[in-house]
Amino acid sequence: DAKTTQPPSMDCAEGRAANLPCNHSTISGNEYVYWYRQIHSQGPQYIIHGLKNNETNEMASLIITEDRKSSTLILPHATLRDTAVYYCIVRVGNAGNMLTFGGGTRLMVKP
Amino acid sequence: DTGVSQNPRHKITKRGQNVTFRCDPISEHNRLYWYRQTLGQGPEFLTYFQNEAQLEKSRLLSDRFSAERPKGSFSTLEIQRTEQGDSAMYLCASSLTLGGVDTFGSGTRLTVV
Repeated sequence: DAKTTQPPSMDCAEGRAANLPCNHSTISGNEYVYWYRQIHSQGPQYIIHGLKNNETNEMASLIITEDRKSSTLILPHATLRDTAVYYCIVRVGNAGNMLTFGGGTRLMVKP
Repeated sequence: DTGVSQNPRHKITKRGQNVTFRCDPISEHNRLYWYRQTLGQGPEFLTYFQNEAQLEKSRLLSDRFSAERPKGSFSTLEIQRTEQGDSAMYLCASSLTLGGVDTFGSGTRLTVV
Protein backbone atom coordinates (compact mmCIF):
# COMPACT_ATOMS: atom_id res chain seq x y z
CA ASP A 1 0.00 0.00 0.00
CA ALA A 2 1.12 3.54 -0.71
CA LYS A 3 2.63 5.64 2.06
CA THR A 4 0.85 8.74 3.34
CA THR A 5 2.22 11.94 4.86
CA GLN A 6 0.23 14.03 7.32
CA PRO A 7 1.14 16.96 9.57
CA PRO A 8 1.66 15.70 13.11
CA SER A 9 -0.68 18.20 14.70
CA MET A 10 -3.23 20.91 13.94
CA ASP A 11 -5.45 23.26 15.91
CA CYS A 12 -8.95 24.40 15.01
CA ALA A 13 -11.39 26.76 16.65
CA GLU A 14 -14.69 25.29 17.75
CA GLY A 15 -17.41 25.88 15.15
CA ARG A 16 -14.95 26.45 12.33
CA ALA A 17 -14.12 24.05 9.54
CA ALA A 18 -11.18 21.73 10.13
CA ASN A 19 -9.22 20.93 6.97
CA LEU A 20 -6.83 18.01 7.39
CA PRO A 21 -4.39 17.43 4.51
CA CYS A 22 -2.83 14.18 3.39
CA ASN A 23 -0.21 13.50 0.74
CA HIS A 24 -0.18 10.14 -1.04
CA SER A 25 1.95 10.84 -4.08
CA THR A 26 2.65 7.15 -4.84
CA ILE A 27 -0.99 6.07 -4.81
CA SER A 28 -1.91 3.45 -7.39
CA GLY A 29 -4.99 3.42 -9.57
CA ASN A 30 -6.70 0.70 -7.55
CA GLU A 31 -6.00 2.22 -4.12
CA TYR A 32 -8.69 3.97 -2.13
CA VAL A 33 -8.16 6.79 0.35
CA TYR A 34 -9.61 6.08 3.79
CA TRP A 35 -9.89 8.30 6.83
CA TYR A 36 -10.23 7.04 10.38
CA ARG A 37 -10.01 8.87 13.67
CA GLN A 38 -9.12 7.72 17.13
CA ILE A 39 -10.36 9.44 20.23
CA HIS A 40 -8.25 8.84 23.31
CA SER A 41 -8.53 5.30 24.72
CA GLN A 42 -10.95 4.15 22.02
CA GLY A 43 -10.55 2.09 18.88
CA PRO A 44 -10.27 3.83 15.50
CA GLN A 45 -13.55 5.03 14.01
CA TYR A 46 -14.26 5.02 10.28
CA ILE A 47 -15.03 8.45 8.82
CA ILE A 48 -15.11 8.30 5.04
CA HIS A 49 -13.36 6.85 1.99
CA GLY A 50 -13.12 7.47 -1.73
CA LEU A 51 -11.37 6.49 -4.94
CA LYS A 52 -11.27 9.61 -7.12
CA ASN A 53 -14.50 11.50 -6.70
CA ASN A 54 -15.18 13.81 -3.80
CA GLU A 55 -17.30 12.21 -1.13
CA THR A 56 -19.54 13.55 1.62
CA ASN A 57 -21.37 11.90 4.48
CA GLU A 58 -22.89 12.98 7.76
CA MET A 59 -19.48 13.23 9.41
CA ALA A 60 -17.20 14.84 6.86
CA SER A 61 -16.26 15.61 3.27
CA LEU A 62 -13.34 14.12 1.39
CA ILE A 63 -11.73 16.14 -1.38
CA ILE A 64 -9.31 14.20 -3.62
CA THR A 65 -7.17 16.12 -6.12
CA GLU A 66 -7.53 15.28 -9.78
CA ASP A 67 -4.11 13.59 -9.88
CA ARG A 68 -5.06 11.71 -6.68
CA LYS A 69 -1.74 12.55 -5.08
CA SER A 70 -3.30 14.34 -2.16
CA SER A 71 -6.58 14.69 -0.32
CA THR A 72 -8.22 16.81 2.34
CA LEU A 73 -10.65 15.73 5.01
CA ILE A 74 -13.06 18.50 5.95
CA LEU A 75 -15.00 18.59 9.20
CA PRO A 76 -17.42 21.45 8.41
CA HIS A 77 -18.19 22.62 11.96
CA ALA A 78 -15.65 21.21 14.38
CA THR A 79 -16.72 20.56 17.96
CA LEU A 80 -14.67 19.76 21.04
CA ARG A 81 -15.65 16.10 20.57
CA ASP A 82 -13.77 16.08 17.26
CA THR A 83 -10.47 16.33 19.14
CA ALA A 84 -8.71 13.12 18.07
CA VAL A 85 -5.91 11.63 16.00
CA TYR A 86 -6.93 11.47 12.34
CA TYR A 87 -5.39 8.82 10.11
CA CYS A 88 -5.24 8.98 6.33
CA ILE A 89 -4.74 5.51 4.83
CA VAL A 90 -4.52 4.23 1.29
CA ARG A 91 -5.25 0.63 0.54
CA VAL A 92 -5.94 -1.62 -2.39
CA GLY A 93 -9.54 -2.40 -3.05
CA ASN A 94 -12.75 -1.29 -1.47
CA ALA A 95 -12.36 -2.94 1.95
CA GLY A 96 -11.21 -6.50 2.54
CA ASN A 97 -7.53 -6.17 3.34
CA MET A 98 -5.61 -4.72 6.24
CA LEU A 99 -5.20 -1.06 7.09
CA THR A 100 -1.69 0.39 7.34
CA PHE A 101 -1.71 3.26 9.81
CA GLY A 102 0.88 6.01 9.87
CA GLY A 103 1.36 8.56 12.62
CA GLY A 104 -1.77 10.54 11.84
CA THR A 105 -2.63 14.17 12.63
CA ARG A 106 -3.51 15.10 16.18
CA LEU A 107 -6.36 17.61 15.84
CA MET A 108 -7.04 19.82 18.81
CA VAL A 109 -10.35 21.69 18.70
CA LYS A 110 -10.22 24.68 21.00
CA PRO A 111 -13.12 26.68 22.45
CA ASP B 1 -25.90 -5.30 17.45
CA THR B 2 -23.51 -3.60 19.82
CA GLY B 3 -20.52 -3.54 17.49
CA VAL B 4 -17.18 -5.25 18.03
CA SER B 5 -16.69 -6.40 21.61
CA GLN B 6 -13.30 -7.04 23.21
CA ASN B 7 -12.63 -8.61 26.57
CA PRO B 8 -11.09 -7.90 28.92
CA ARG B 9 -10.71 -4.13 28.59
CA HIS B 10 -7.62 -4.14 30.77
CA LYS B 11 -5.20 -6.90 31.72
CA ILE B 12 -2.24 -6.69 34.05
CA THR B 13 0.03 -9.70 34.07
CA LYS B 14 3.42 -10.67 35.36
CA ARG B 15 6.27 -11.20 32.94
CA GLY B 16 6.40 -14.78 31.75
CA GLN B 17 2.69 -15.46 32.14
CA ASN B 18 0.39 -16.35 29.24
CA VAL B 19 -2.55 -14.11 28.37
CA THR B 20 -5.54 -14.56 26.08
CA PHE B 21 -7.81 -11.87 24.68
CA ARG B 22 -11.19 -12.37 23.10
CA CYS B 23 -12.88 -10.52 20.25
CA ASP B 24 -16.53 -10.85 19.26
CA PRO B 25 -17.03 -9.26 15.82
CA ILE B 26 -20.22 -7.90 14.32
CA SER B 27 -22.27 -11.02 13.63
CA GLU B 28 -22.45 -10.93 9.84
CA HIS B 29 -18.83 -9.85 9.33
CA ASN B 30 -16.66 -12.58 7.85
CA ARG B 31 -13.30 -10.81 8.17
CA LEU B 32 -11.64 -10.29 11.52
CA TYR B 33 -8.38 -8.42 12.14
CA TRP B 34 -6.00 -8.03 15.06
CA TYR B 35 -3.81 -4.96 15.54
CA ARG B 36 -1.40 -3.81 18.21
CA GLN B 37 -0.95 -0.19 19.22
CA THR B 38 1.86 1.13 21.38
CA LEU B 39 1.82 4.54 23.00
CA GLY B 40 1.99 7.39 20.52
CA GLN B 41 1.91 5.14 17.45
CA GLY B 42 -0.77 4.16 15.00
CA PRO B 43 -2.17 0.62 15.11
CA GLU B 44 0.06 -2.09 13.64
CA PHE B 45 -1.51 -5.00 11.77
CA LEU B 46 -0.88 -8.48 13.23
CA THR B 47 -3.14 -11.01 11.52
CA TYR B 48 -6.53 -11.56 9.95
CA PHE B 49 -9.14 -14.22 9.32
CA GLN B 50 -11.74 -14.76 6.68
CA ASN B 51 -14.34 -16.91 8.37
CA GLU B 52 -12.26 -19.52 10.23
CA ALA B 53 -9.26 -19.38 7.88
CA GLN B 54 -6.23 -17.37 9.01
CA LEU B 55 -5.13 -15.77 5.76
CA GLU B 56 -2.19 -13.71 6.97
CA LYS B 57 -0.04 -14.38 10.01
CA SER B 58 3.44 -13.38 8.91
CA ARG B 59 3.05 -10.05 10.72
CA LEU B 60 2.60 -11.69 14.11
CA LEU B 61 5.42 -10.29 16.16
CA SER B 62 6.95 -13.58 17.26
CA ASP B 63 6.10 -17.24 17.71
CA ARG B 64 4.82 -16.34 21.16
CA PHE B 65 1.79 -14.77 19.47
CA SER B 66 -1.02 -16.90 18.09
CA ALA B 67 -4.62 -16.33 17.09
CA GLU B 68 -7.60 -18.53 16.44
CA ARG B 69 -11.12 -18.19 15.11
CA PRO B 70 -12.38 -21.73 15.47
CA LYS B 71 -15.95 -21.42 14.22
CA GLY B 72 -15.63 -18.28 12.17
CA SER B 73 -17.27 -16.18 14.86
CA PHE B 74 -15.29 -14.97 17.87
CA SER B 75 -11.49 -14.92 17.89
CA THR B 76 -8.81 -15.20 20.53
CA LEU B 77 -5.30 -13.77 20.56
CA GLU B 78 -2.83 -15.48 22.88
CA ILE B 79 0.56 -14.25 23.97
CA GLN B 80 2.77 -16.81 25.66
CA ARG B 81 5.62 -15.98 28.05
CA THR B 82 4.77 -12.30 28.08
CA GLU B 83 7.53 -9.69 28.06
CA GLN B 84 7.43 -6.07 29.16
CA GLY B 85 7.65 -5.06 25.50
CA ASP B 86 4.29 -6.71 24.90
CA SER B 87 2.60 -3.95 26.89
CA ALA B 88 0.27 -2.28 24.41
CA MET B 89 -3.33 -1.88 23.29
CA TYR B 90 -4.56 -4.87 21.30
CA LEU B 91 -7.33 -3.95 18.88
CA CYS B 92 -9.75 -6.13 16.97
CA ALA B 93 -11.70 -5.07 13.88
CA SER B 94 -14.21 -6.78 11.64
CA SER B 95 -15.61 -6.17 8.18
CA LEU B 96 -17.45 -7.71 5.28
CA THR B 97 -15.18 -8.92 2.51
CA LEU B 98 -16.80 -6.82 -0.15
CA GLY B 99 -17.77 -3.22 0.22
CA GLY B 100 -17.75 -2.98 3.98
CA VAL B 101 -15.68 -0.79 6.24
CA ASP B 102 -13.69 -1.91 9.23
CA THR B 103 -15.35 -1.54 12.62
CA PHE B 104 -12.97 -1.55 15.56
CA GLY B 105 -13.52 -2.60 19.12
CA SER B 106 -12.36 -0.53 22.07
CA GLY B 107 -9.31 -2.73 22.56
CA THR B 108 -7.66 -4.62 25.38
CA ARG B 109 -4.91 -2.75 27.19
CA LEU B 110 -2.18 -5.12 28.34
CA THR B 111 0.34 -4.14 30.99
CA VAL B 112 3.18 -6.56 31.68
CA VAL B 113 4.91 -5.96 35.01
